[in-house]
Amino acid sequence: KQEVTQIPAALSVPEGENLVLNCSFTDSAIYNLQWFRQDPGKGLTSLLLIQSSQREQTSGRLNASLDKSSGRSTLYIAASQPGDSATYLCAGPIENTGTASKLTFGTGTRLQVTL
Amino acid sequence: KAGVTQTPRYLIKTRGQQVTLSCSPISGHRSVSWYQQTPGQGLQFLFEYFSETQRNKGNFPGRFSGRQFSNSRSEMNVSTLELGDSALYLCASSLARGGNYGYTFGSGTRLTVV
Repeated sequence: KQEVTQIPAALSVPEGENLVLNCSFTDSAIYNLQWFRQDPGKGLTSLLLIQSSQREQTSGRLNASLDKSSGRSTLYIAASQPGDSATYLCAGPIENTGTASKLTFGTGTRLQVTL
Repeated sequence: KAGVTQTPRYLIKTRGQQVTLSCSPISGHRSVSWYQQTPGQGLQFLFEYFSETQRNKGNFPGRFSGRQFSNSRSEMNVSTLELGDSALYLCASSLARGGNYGYTFGSGTRLTVV
């Protein structure tokens, strides 16, 4: 059974700092990996999708990497801003066998960026 | 282009009642999945629909059911509501099965059972 763990569970940083969020998964047969952010009481906003054949993706100040062999993904946020404060979730479907196309979510990292 | 639309945004129901939630996926997306989010259990997969057929189901009791229409819109129904069903219900759409194209989530329906 796929388990996804995110470290740290919570993080508080001053504005302007660069930071790294970690995501590890037990089943290396993960098909791809998606990072989301969730603001309190809201839905999920997709940040980056790393396809199985890719090792990283970049969007603005965000960079995500995927190492299937080690079962890890990282989300790098450069020059953090108060607006980045949210819970960050990683999720991925296990290898697409035709019957298992569902997302298994990590436990989330709650990020607070202070002025 | 319009995102994933979930209605209603908020619901308050009494134990024992039933409820129906609606999800309209992004135009052209044929896969719709449902998730339940609670503080204690996090995000848990309920079921996935593709081409009007349930393709995958999570570990939830039979009180939870759903369906998908020919226009890909989906509904989920919870019968005989229990207090523990209070949660944020999220719908996700994808272009096709398997997650190749990633998932786009709606804003969710907040269900409170009293």
